[in-house]
Amino acid sequence: KQEVTQIPAALSVPEGENLVLNCSFTDSAIYNLQWFRQDPGKGLTSLLLIQSSQREQTSGRLNASLDKSSGRSTLYIAASQPGDSATYLCAVLNSGYSTLTFGKGTMLLVSP
Amino acid sequence: SAVISQKPSRDICQRGTSLTIQCQVDSQVTMMFWYRQQPGQSLTLIATANQGSEATYESGFVIDKFPISRPNLTFSTLTVSNMSPEDSSIYLCSVEARTGTRSNYGYTFGSGTRLTVV
Repeated sequence: KQEVTQIPAALSVPEGENLVLNCSFTDSAIYNLQWFRQDPGKGLTSLLLIQSSQREQTSGRLNASLDKSSGRSTLYIAASQPGDSATYLCAVLNSGYSTLTFGKGTMLLVSP
Repeated sequence: SAVISQKPSRDICQRGTSLTIQCQVDSQVTMMFWYRQQPGQSLTLIATANQGSEATYESGFVIDKFPISRPNLTFSTLTVSNMSPEDSSIYLCSVEARTGTRSNYGYTFGSGTRLTVV
């Protein structure tokens, strides 16, 4: 059974700092990995999707990497802003069936 | 990617009552998914809903408690029945964005329904 772990559970940084969120998964048989953002009490917004054959994806100040063989992904946020404050979730699409396995998320607070 | 309209966005309900959550998608999709997110926890899949067939429920979830309808390719409802305070959660629907090969399948989520049972 796939398990996804996100470290740290919570992170507080001052505005302008670069930061890294970590995601690990136990079964490397995945189709892809997706990073989401969730604002309090709200739904999920997709940030980046990395296919299993890819090493990284970039969107604006966000860069996500994937090392499938070691079961790890990182989300790098450059020059953080207060508007980046949210919970960040990673999810893997497991090979063989169309369901996602989610981590518990990293709650990020960026203070002005 | 598909846009999902989910409602209600939040509700406070009395124990023993039922609430029906609706999701409308702006394009036709084969599968829709329903998730529950309990306070402080991550998302747990409740069931997968295909149009024209019975929903497939995950372990720990039963049709009598969470009946699902999927009358067409753009709409689905989830009912939370005979509610108790333990059902207080965020409920989300999701669709699969099938672009190219399976490795490029992404998922789009509705805005969520925040349910509080008192």
